[in-house]
Amino acid sequence: GAGVSQSPSNKVTEKGKDVELRCDPISGHTALYWYRQSLGQGLEFLIYFQGNSAPDKSGLPSDRFSAERTGGSVSTLTIQRTQQEDSAVYLCASSLATGWGYYEQYFGPGTRLTVT
Amino acid sequence: ILNVEQSPQSLHVQEGDSTNFTCSFPSSNFYALHWYRWETAKSPEALFVMTLNGDEKKKGRISATLNTKEGYSYLYIKGSQPEDSATYLCAFTMEYGNKLVFGAGTILRVKS
Repeated sequence: GAGVSQSPSNKVTEKGKDVELRCDPISGHTALYWYRQSLGQGLEFLIYFQGNSAPDKSGLPSDRFSAERTGGSVSTLTIQRTQQEDSAVYLCASSLATGWGYYEQYFGPGTRLTVT
Repeated sequence: ILNVEQSPQSLHVQEGDSTNFTCSFPSSNFYALHWYRWETAKSPEALFVMTLNGDEKKKGRISATLNTKEGYSYLYIKGSQPEDSATYLCAFTMEYGNKLVFGAGTILRVKS
């Protein structure tokens, strides 16, 4: 079946511009996660959504970052007024459920964001 | 602050060698330990999810063990092949949380 898809695969933007990154999770997966990997760093948790519950935004690095998940499916991560330190690979993942971290997560191919 | 340490940072081996990596994590409030393989230009792929102290999991030539009391997990690859070249990530989650805290990964390169 179809895996997690993300778009665009690459995005180059100028400092100060806003960007939107999209994630289509696996159908039927109720939990959706966003991570990023900056150069030389491990994967950093940003936000997760579970069903209709309020998202856990505790990993968002600043108020320039926001995310939405519409209809329990597609998610958009928005970065406003991008800065060079936002350059990273942004990964989306989904899983059957959350609650205890037991379920393996299925990752998308990522969006490589470069802020010039 | 939760800290997940992986060692070594990188490893270069010859085809046929067996190898192992270490993941260290906080032993208190443990719930699950995940291992992922991330090949270049591909998505991270789940290898194992382990929850019980003493767990051992195996998938083909790859196996993993878990010690929750001392806070470490080992990943073993028997008879490494060039296609095993990837970054191996471990991630830890606490009992009352859902977030995965990832280590920086171990980069494995297998030469033929």
